[in-house]
Amino acid sequence: KQEVTQIPAALSVPEGENLVLNCSFTDSAIYNLQWFRQDPGKGLTSLLLIQSSQREQTSGRLNASLDKSSGRSTLYIAASQPGDSATYLCAVKGSSNTGKLIFGQGTTLQVKP
Amino acid sequence: NAGVMQNPRHLVRRRGQEARLRCSPMKGHSHVYWYRQLPEEGLKFMVYLQKENIIDESGMPKERFSAEFPKEGPSILRIQQVVRGDSAAYFCASFTQSGESTDTQYFGPGTRLTVL
Repeated sequence: KQEVTQIPAALSVPEGENLVLNCSFTDSAIYNLQWFRQDPGKGLTSLLLIQSSQREQTSGRLNASLDKSSGRSTLYIAASQPGDSATYLCAVKGSSNTGKLIFGQGTTLQVKP
Repeated sequence: NAGVMQNPRHLVRRRGQEARLRCSPMKGHSHVYWYRQLPEEGLKFMVYLQKENIIDESGMPKERFSAEFPKEGPSILRIQQVVRGDSAAYFCASFTQSGESTDTQYFGPGTRLTVL
């Protein structure tokens, strides 16, 4: 049974810091891995999607890496800003394109001005 | 192309009442997933439907919960005889196997159910 864990559960940093959020999963047979952002009381916004054959994806100040063999992914946020404050969720999709997403518990990030 | 729409956004029910949550997928999407986010917990898969078919309901409680995605109209998640433990945010996501971005599930804003 696939399990997804995110560390740390919460993180508070001053503005401008570079930071890394971690995600680990127990079953390496995944179709893809996705990072989402969730603001309080809101829905989910997809940030980056990494296919199982890829090692990383980049979008602006965000970079996500995937090491399928070790069951790990990291989300790197460069030059953090107060607007980055949110909960970041990691989700893996099982072995088929139509598979369900299995989510981690999330990392709640606060960036202080 | 409007995104995934869910209504109502907030729903308050008393114990024992029924709750009906609606999800309209993105245009052209025929796959719908429902997820539940309990307070202080992560999102958990409930059910996966295609038009007129339930494909995977392994995450849905066996009692009181049902889901449908008719040929016409939105997908409905129905909770009968609600209890306080049903209070949660319910998210719907839609998906397509054709065109661009075929690997992404697009999420709606959620319905926040409060059971008094």
